[in-house]
Order: sequence, then structure tokens, then C-alpha cells
Amino acid sequence: TQLLEQSPQFLSIQEGENLTVYCNSSSVFSSLQWYRQEPGEGPVLLVTVVTGGEVKKLKRLTFQFGDARKDSSLHITAAQPGDTGLYLCAGGGGAQKLVFGQGTRLTINP
Amino acid sequence: DAGVIQSPRHEVTEMGQEVTLRCKPISGHNSLFWYRQTMMRGLELLIYFNNNVPIDDSGMPEDRFSAKMPNASFSTLKIQPSEPRDSAVYFCASSLFQGWGEKLFFGSGTQLSVL
Repeated sequence: TQLLEQSPQFLSIQEGENLTVYCNSSSVFSSLQWYRQEPGEGPVLLVTVVTGGEVKKLKRLTFQFGDARKDSSLHITAAQPGDTGLYLCAGGGGAQKLVFGQGTRLTINP
Repeated sequence: DAGVIQSPRHEVTEMGQEVTLRCKPISGHNSLFWYRQTMMRGLELLIYFNNNVPIDDSGMPEDRFSAKMPNASFSTLKIQPSEPRDSAVYFCASSLFQGWGEKLFFGSGTQLSVL
């Protein structure tokens, strides 16, 4: 069974600080996605990475896929209150089945 | 464009009752997924359909759970009889499957409470 472990589970920081959250597995994934979920809503896709070592940027968010395609990180620069939410990584192992991590619950305090 | 539409948004029922959750996927999408989210277990895939055909239902917890997709614009997830441990948020998601890199669009979910 493929599992994705996210760390930290909870993170509370002040506005303007930088942060990194991690998504790790012992399994290789063909692709890895990051979603953000706000209270009372479904997850919304932020990015998909498919190549080992790939780096993608979305404004202040930087996503990296590990060289071996077993792990990923999300770095946020100068965090803002609007970045608050549950961040989920999801691995694609084939056959359309995405495996989701437990999530990192991020709170940015003004 | 309308996203994935789920109903009801909230459902409170008593143990033993039948519960039916409904989903309208995004028009043109050919894959539909039902997920369940709890604090303890996170997001779990229950079942998914391609072109209205169930492909993998290995995540359906018990025979009490069933899902149908009679046409490309409608799906239901039924729990009969419901139990308190079924309390969770149930999400429907759809996608346009193109062979790789599944991009899921989620609905807002149904918050189910079984008393």
C-alpha cells in the first residue's frame, strides 16, 4: 500500500515568515499533486509535478518533486493570512487512484 | 462554469436510516470519484467511475455502501443502514481522464452526521 506522510501536521506562524512543508513516501509516484482545502470546501488543486527534481512556482509558493519521485516539498515565502488552510499532497501511482497524505494544517497569524 | 455540485450540504440522520448523497460532475468530464474525509483517516477513495462504469470499488468500506452513476451527469452514494461511524465529510470529484496526471475538481462536500 502506498502511503504519503506529511509534516508537520500543524503549523502556526506569523504573517511575513517563510515556511516549508514536506510530503514523504517510501514508494515512487508517477506524479505528485498539492491541494489546498479551506473550511467547508473541497480541496483545490495547486500544482502537479511529474519529473524527478522538477520545481514549479506559483507566486509565493514553490513546489519541488524529489529526484527519486518519492517526496515533495512546498515552500511559502512571506506567508499571508490568505495562505491559511489545509495543504494536502497526493501521489499518482497509476490507474487514476490518487493517494492523499493526512495534510498540514497551516495558520498564518496577522 | 459550474463546478461539481453536491447535495445535500449537510445531512443529520439516525442510526439505521438510509442516506443518499448526490453529485453532478462537471460537464464533459469522464471520471467521477467519491471520497470520504475524517480527521483520523484523512481523504479516502471509496469508488471511481470512468464513462459511468465503476472501475474500482475496493475502498467501499462495507456492503452497506453502494454507488451508482446512471448517466454522465449524475451519481449517488447510498448508505443503508447508516451507522455513527459513517459520520464524515463525503466529497465527489470529477476529472477529464487523459491517461496521466489526474486533475481532480472537488465539490463542496456533504457533511454527514449519524446519531
